[in-house]
Amino acid sequence: GAVVSQHPSWVICKSGTSVKIECRSLDFQATTMFWYRQFPKQSLMLMATSNEGSKATYEQGVEKDKFLINHASLTLSTLTVTSAHPEDSSFYICSARDTGANTGELFFGEGSRLTVL
Amino acid sequence: AQSVTQLGSHVSVSEGALVLLRCNYSSSVPPYLFWYVQYPNQGLQLLLKYTSAATLVKGINGFEAEFKKSETSFHLTKPSAHMSDAAEYFCAVTGSGGGYNKLIFGAGTRLAVHP
Repeated sequence: GAVVSQHPSWVICKSGTSVKIECRSLDFQATTMFWYRQFPKQSLMLMATSNEGSKATYEQGVEKDKFLINHASLTLSTLTVTSAHPEDSSFYICSARDTGANTGELFFGEGSRLTVL
Repeated sequence: AQSVTQLGSHVSVSEGALVLLRCNYSSSVPPYLFWYVQYPNQGLQLLLKYTSAATLVKGINGFEAEFKKSETSFHLTKPSAHMSDAAEYFCAVTGSGGGYNKLIFGAGTRLAVHP
């Protein structure tokens, strides 16, 4: 099956620093990827839609300048949390849609847990 | 707009008992519906999906779900629970505007299986 890989799985950083999370589709091309945020024991909240070669589309209430998204290739999207603060600590999950399919199915990465001290 | 309601944030069953996780959806267009499972500190794994073909959908690990348009429901069932089924389960529906790109998730149901 299609595989989406996220890196790193865990990251701990100091307040004020920036952290980059990568999301790769390993065996398919993805013109569209999605970034979700999940708080403990809660559901996934869509943050933004990452579009290859163009600007990301952010959901209402998500700070564009804080959560920078880059989708430079058909297999890689990155999420950079800039000037991280403790309230940014969360589980971030990416997903990707197989461009060659039309089932609506999304494939999810393993998630990245960010802890900001 | 699309939305998903999962009734029951926690469900507890005995090993070997029937599992029933409820999901109701709202959609202004014909929906695609999905059930995902999440184990602690992991991403989501697709259990099954409905994409306008057969209304009774069979998935992995013995799970199945039935799409009922009249009830706007897509409940997940498994005849006999295993200890390994303990996890968080999410129902999701495709979003509107721009096709079937966005997934809108329900709040999730935590399934506990006890001996």
